[in-house]
This record gives sequence, structure tokens and C-alpha cells, in this order.
Amino acid sequence: TQLLEQSPQFLSIQEGENLTVYCNSSSVFSSLQWYRQEPGEGPVLLVTVVTGGEVKKLKRLTFQFGDARKDSSLHITAAQPGDTGLYLCAGDQTGANNLFFGTGTRLTVIP
Amino acid sequence: DAGVIQSPRHEVTEMGQEVTLRCKPISGHNSLFWYRQTMMRGLELLIYFNNNVPIDDSGMPEDRFSAKMPNASFSTLKIQPSEPRDSAVYFCASRGRFVEQFFGPGTRLTVL
Repeated sequence: TQLLEQSPQFLSIQEGENLTVYCNSSSVFSSLQWYRQEPGEGPVLLVTVVTGGEVKKLKRLTFQFGDARKDSSLHITAAQPGDTGLYLCAGDQTGANNLFFGTGTRLTVIP
Repeated sequence: DAGVIQSPRHEVTEMGQEVTLRCKPISGHNSLFWYRQTMMRGLELLIYFNNNVPIDDSGMPEDRFSAKMPNASFSTLKIQPSEPRDSAVYFCASRGRFVEQFFGPGTRLTVL
């Protein structure tokens, strides 16, 4: 059972374009994290959102946690080739010691 | 801190052989996780430990897989016997007081 569905699964865009990646679930999460994974490496944490409706900005990346804490989005402004990678959302549920990882979005930014 | 350390980084073996993957978590972290990643199935949790005790091994595919954590600074994931369908990248991650997990660089396993 996949608790977190991400869309799109694959995304290929030109440098300078904007994009949004979605992470959706029917379950409620205490917090939600976004990770980026580059080829040959493990996922690296980008951000954690904990409050429904919360918006966090990290340079050109904007993360939002849904009001009901069931979904999240990642928006990248003016994408650069360095943004290329696999983006994973991961949810934490109260009482669970592990994270539930999403299906992933593989982003390619073409120079 | 050196981060999570995994060895080997690459492993090529023949079907039927025993494979042992190793992990050293970040010092002070009390939770350790083993994942498997493939293109088809994404990132799958195999097993995790809290304070060296296995908590949930429901993700372990079958009896050929076993994991141990003899102390707070070392864990192993063993596959015996290995099969071609076990080919994947295996990640170890550790966690401290907070929810965030810190991943190692992974071991790319190829079973011929």
C-alpha cells in the first residue's frame, strides 16, 4: 500500500521554467518532509513542514503543507540544471517511528 | 561528523552467494533503517531498529534476508542465498531525536 502518491512521476523541462510537484495522500501526517536524491547518492533532506497550511521557502524552492495535513507541494522557480534529481516526499504519522516515502518525481532540467 | 557510512559501495556477486552489507550510523542516533531502491518499486523500507532492537521487519522480502544490529554503531544486512531479483541499491539511514532521516551513500548490488 502506497500511502503517498507523487505526481508527475517524470518531468523534463527547460532551464528557467517553473514547475510544481505534488504529494498526495488520504492519510493525515504529523509532518511532511521533502528529500532530493542525486545520481549515485542517498536522499538528502530539503525541508520539513509541520503545520497545516505552512509555507516554507528555500531560495527558489517553495514548499507547502496542505491545511488538512494530507498533501504537500513543491514549487521550483526558474529551474536550473543543478535542480535535476529525484524528489521524494515523506510523511511521519504520530506513533510511528518510521517515515512513509512517496513514489518519487524524477526531474530533469535541460540547459 | 562523517555521516552514515556504508560498505561496500558496489557489490557484484553470483546467484547463490552470500552478501553482507554494512552500515555505521551517525553517532548518537538511536534509530537505524534499511531501504531498498529500484526503478520499478521506488524506495522500500526493509527493516528498522530502535536502540539496537528490530521494531518492524515486515518489509523484509523473505527469509533469505536478515539484519542485525549488535551495537549502536554497526548494523548488517545479509542476503543468503542471493538471487538476480535482489539487484538494487540498498540504503541505510539513521535518525536521532527528530523525524529527519540521514541516508548513507548506498550499496549498489548486482547479482548475476
